[in-house]
Amino acid sequence: AQRVTQPEKLLSVFKGAPVELKCNYSYSGSPELFWYVQYSRQRLQLLLRHISRESIKGFTADLNKGETSFHLKKPFAQEEDSAMYYCALSGPTSGSRLTFGEGTQLTVNP
Amino acid sequence: KAGVTQTPRYLIKTRGQQVTLSCSPISGHRSVSWYQQTPGQGLQFLFEYFSETQRNKGNFPGRFSGRQFSNSRSEMNVSTLELGDSALYLCASSSRQRATEAFFGQGTRLTVV
Repeated sequence: AQRVTQPEKLLSVFKGAPVELKCNYSYSGSPELFWYVQYSRQRLQLLLRHISRESIKGFTADLNKGETSFHLKKPFAQEEDSAMYYCALSGPTSGSRLTFGEGTQLTVNP
Repeated sequence: KAGVTQTPRYLIKTRGQQVTLSCSPISGHRSVSWYQQTPGQGLQFLFEYFSETQRNKGNFPGRFSGRQFSNSRSEMNVSTLELGDSALYLCASSSRQRATEAFFGQGTRLTVV
C-alpha cells in the first residue's frame, strides 16, 4: 500500500528563518514525489517534483530513498510562503492517481 | 489557455438526494481525476478517467460514480447523499497517463443538510 505522512499539521516560522516541511512515504517500488501548494483562496497547484530537481520560489526537495523521505526546504522563508503544503506520491502503475499527505499549514510571521 | 473548470462552485443538497458535479479539463488533456477534500481526511482519491475509461478507483462506496465523455469532460455523481459527503470535490487534469503534472480546478463545495 502507498502512504504519505506529513508529521506536522502546523508550522510557524519567522520571516528570514529557514523552513523545512517533512514528508515521509511508504511505497514498494520507485514512486514519483511531488509537493503541491494551496495559497489562501487559490487552487491547489504543483510546486515541484523530484524528477525535475529544480528550485521553485527558493524551495528545494531531495528524494532520500534510504529514509523514504522527500522534505521540502527553503533557506529564508518569506511571508508570501504562508500556505498549505501537500506532499504527494504517484506510482508507475497508478496512472495519474496521486496519494496525498494530510498537509502542513505553514505560517511565516513578520 | 483556460484552466480546469468545475461547476457548480457551491451546492447545498438534502440527505437522500443525488448530485452531479462537472469538470472541464484543460484543452488537450485526456486524463481526469477526482478527489474529495475534508478537514478530517485530507485529500482522498475517488477515481480517474482516461479516454472515457475508468482506470483507477479509490476506496469509496458505490454511491460515488463518474464518467468521462468523448470531449474529455467528466462528471461525478453521488447518490443517496449522506451528511458525511459534505466536502470540497476537486477535479484534476493531466496531459498524459501519469501524474507528471496535475492541474486542479477550484472545486465544488458540497454541503449536505
